[in-house]
Order: sequence, then C-alpha cells, then structure tokens
Amino acid sequence: GAGVSQSPSNKVTEKGKDVELRCDPISGHTALYWYRQSLGQGLEFLIYFQGNSAPDKSGLPSDRFSAERTGGSVSTLTIQRTQQEDSAVYLCASSLNIGLAKNIQYFGAGTRLSVL
Amino acid sequence: GENVGLHLPTLSVQEGDNSIINCAYSNSASDYFIWYKQESGKGPQFIIDIRSNMDKRQGQRVTVLLNKTVKHLSLQIAATQPGDSAVYFCAENNSGYALNFGKGTSLLVTP
Repeated sequence: GAGVSQSPSNKVTEKGKDVELRCDPISGHTALYWYRQSLGQGLEFLIYFQGNSAPDKSGLPSDRFSAERTGGSVSTLTIQRTQQEDSAVYLCASSLNIGLAKNIQYFGAGTRLSVL
Repeated sequence: GENVGLHLPTLSVQEGDNSIINCAYSNSASDYFIWYKQESGKGPQFIIDIRSNMDKRQGQRVTVLLNKTVKHLSLQIAATQPGDSAVYFCAENNSGYALNFGKGTSLLVTP
C-alpha cells in the first residue's frame, strides 16, 4: 500500500509484559516518528528517526520505552514491563524531509494498546 | 512551558454552514503550522499547512489563517458536510521536526 502501515491494530497485554509495535513508513520517506495519543487527548511526541542519524529520543517517557529503525525503513517501538498508564494509541508517521524544509507528516492508523 | 491549545473543545454546525476552528499557540518561534483531521479509529489525516511567512493559505473548501501578532491560527471549512465530522488538531513546529499538537476540537455536522 501507499500509506503508513502499523501492526498490530490492537494489542491487549497484561501488566508487566513486554510489547512490540511495528511501523512500515511510506516508501522513500527518510523520517519516521512515533507519537502516543491518550483517550481524548492530542498527540505526544515520543521519538524521531532521520536517515542514519542518531534518533531524537527526547519524548520517550521512561527507560522502559525504546525504538529501533532497521535499514532506514521499518521501525519497532518496544515497551518493557508495561504499566496500565501505557494504555493508549501509538501512532507512527513518516515524512520526506529534504534539507531544513518542513514536510508533511503522514500517519498510520495506529496501534491501540490496552494494558490490563 | 510552550503549548498549543484550542479555544473550543466541541463545535456543532449545520450542514451547509461554514465552520471556524480556532487554535492559540504560545511559542513565538514557531515557524510551521499544520491542521489534521482525525476520524474515529483512524490516524490523523493532513488537511492544510502554513509557514510563518504567510498569513493565509487556501485549499479545497478549507482556509487557514495565521495571525502571528496574537499567536492565533484558525481553520475555516466552507459549506460543511457530514463527512467533515471529526476531531481537528492544530500542530506547530519551531525546531527539529517533531510536531507539538493541541488537544483537538470535535466538529459535529448536523443535517
């Protein structure tokens, strides 16, 4: 498909378990972002990848959160020892960043995470 | 800290009327603004963006106005349709590439 793809669309887990969320960006997009959206709230920035540069991790809420981007394409967001407050929709976006120009971020449908 | 917020959490309009959704931002260094539409169960969908060197930009049935003096952004939707019902988010960027989102306004279009 042409859009950003995220999997799974829904994930239910028990408190204390680890989860992995996957994002396939739009082909050719060099930048990839993860955001978190709690119920009825706006989006909270988590992490940003640009090409082969070191990621901007400034938004990660704790050391239980980590993300990787392999081969400059697919990204995985990992949450270790999940807590109930981690329950949210996790959204991935990608953009074609060229130089310093701001570019539109295109979002996937998200993964709805429920921690019981 | 710096934040982006919306004046009205909900807005109800009749089909065919024009809608105006407002957004205030507090970071005067912000140089890029963007509006997204989010329908239930879906990710945010790009509507329109504007850079700080402009004060108005038009798209199909939508217009974004930027007033840097009072740090205010608005989205105008002409001839609102039932399919426009959604939550609308404004977002701003002042450095790097991450967007800072407001909490959203829910637009309900009634027949």
